[in-house]
Amino acid sequence: AQKVTQAQTEISVVEKEDVTLDCVYETRDTTYYLFWYKQPPSGELVFLIRRNSFDEQNEISGRYSWNFQKSTSSFNFTITASQVVDSAVYFCALSEGGDSSYKLIFGSGTRLLVRP
Amino acid sequence: DGGITQSPKYLFRKEGQNVTLSCEQNLNHDAMYWYRQDPGQGLRLIYYSQIVNDFQKGDIAEGYSVSREKKESFPLTVTSAQKNPTAFYLCASSLNGELFFGEGSRLTVL
Repeated sequence: AQKVTQAQTEISVVEKEDVTLDCVYETRDTTYYLFWYKQPPSGELVFLIRRNSFDEQNEISGRYSWNFQKSTSSFNFTITASQVVDSAVYFCALSEGGDSSYKLIFGSGTRLLVRP
Repeated sequence: DGGITQSPKYLFRKEGQNVTLSCEQNLNHDAMYWYRQDPGQGLRLIYYSQIVNDFQKGDIAEGYSVSREKKESFPLTVTSAQKNPTAFYLCASSLNGELFFGEGSRLTVL
């Protein structure tokens, strides 16, 4: 069965530190999608990235970068030079291919606190 | 502005009462979803709908009902049969694999 594990419940860093949020997934499908979402205190989930299982290239977007490794079933998220505004709960999610409904299986989330 | 509107933002209900949460989108998306979030946990799928007049149960559909009479609207009813309804409810719609979420509705059962 598909499953997403975010082992880090809460991380606290000082502003400007780099921080990596871990995500490990389980799926039997060869085609699937991985996502990261940010949930600020307002509650709305903000889409950060979607990656399909055939694209193992790492991606960088500003201070954000993602490391996708199929060999270890991991899709880790790094924030470089963290800022207080990065404080939020971050969710990793999995959607299996062959189903256009994009039902997502979410991890339990990692709460990131960036202290000034 | 395009987006997803959920109402009400906060709702209190007495035990034994049904309550309906509204979700409206003007993004012209075909697919819509309802998720439930409990403290310290990820989101769990309640129901989803890929087209009008059709919907499917998610992982935790018991005690909930939905309808999809219009493309823009996907209301969720939390019935008295739902044993532990106090939670944060998020509605979403999707296009080409990206899910867009509303701001959520926080339901508290007294």
